[in-house]
Amino acid sequence: DSGVTQTPKHLITATGQRVTLRCSPRSGDLSVYWYQQSLDQGLQFLIQYYNGEERAKGNILERFSAQQFPDLHSELNLSSLELGDSALYFCASSVEVGGDTQYFGPGTRLTVL
Amino acid sequence: AQSVTQLDSHVSVSEGTPVLLRCNYSSSYSPSLFWYVQHPNKGLQLLLKYTSAATLVKGINGFEAEFKKSETSFHLTKPSAHMSDAAEYFCVVREGYGGSQGNLIFGKGTKLSVKP
Repeated sequence: DSGVTQTPKHLITATGQRVTLRCSPRSGDLSVYWYQQSLDQGLQFLIQYYNGEERAKGNILERFSAQQFPDLHSELNLSSLELGDSALYFCASSVEVGGDTQYFGPGTRLTVL
Repeated sequence: AQSVTQLDSHVSVSEGTPVLLRCNYSSSYSPSLFWYVQHPNKGLQLLLKYTSAATLVKGINGFEAEFKKSETSFHLTKPSAHMSDAAEYFCVVREGYGGSQGNLIFGKGTKLSVKP
């Protein structure tokens, strides 16, 4: 158990809908990262937050957004969902923004029908 | 730009035989490199990491990797495979500068099968 929690574990929804994925980092970790794992693209970085502020963006679509709250948990919002958004979404956390090991949560499996 | 290339998409070994999973990296400076493992329907677990200290890095579950700058390689090895090692393995490099500092760049993964 990495100490990173993600909810829900599974999410099934329809095209055009909006969903929110939640992540709680390890105790004491200030940095949160979101990754998407799909068959087509593999594992790729989406976005990073540090202590409530966005620090870096990767291959994140405009339909997707995220935020990190004062209690350091983070949410990833996916809107106008398409079939191709079906994937496993991982959250990871680390103590600092550029440093050291990232610990991954168990992931949220999103299925868009 | 930094990148990693995992040279084999699938490796199959017999239980008790050595494991070799190959990874080459591309980086303009000394990178931070990692191996992560993903068991079926599970999250990602860190096996080991290299951050410019000793070039031979020992990880969990008997795995180790050697950083070879001259070959730009970071291959993962284990002397004797166990059935429980069957999983997907990812070679990862961490962005080390600029606004993307800290972000991980994953290889495509190598699926390890272990035959009894």
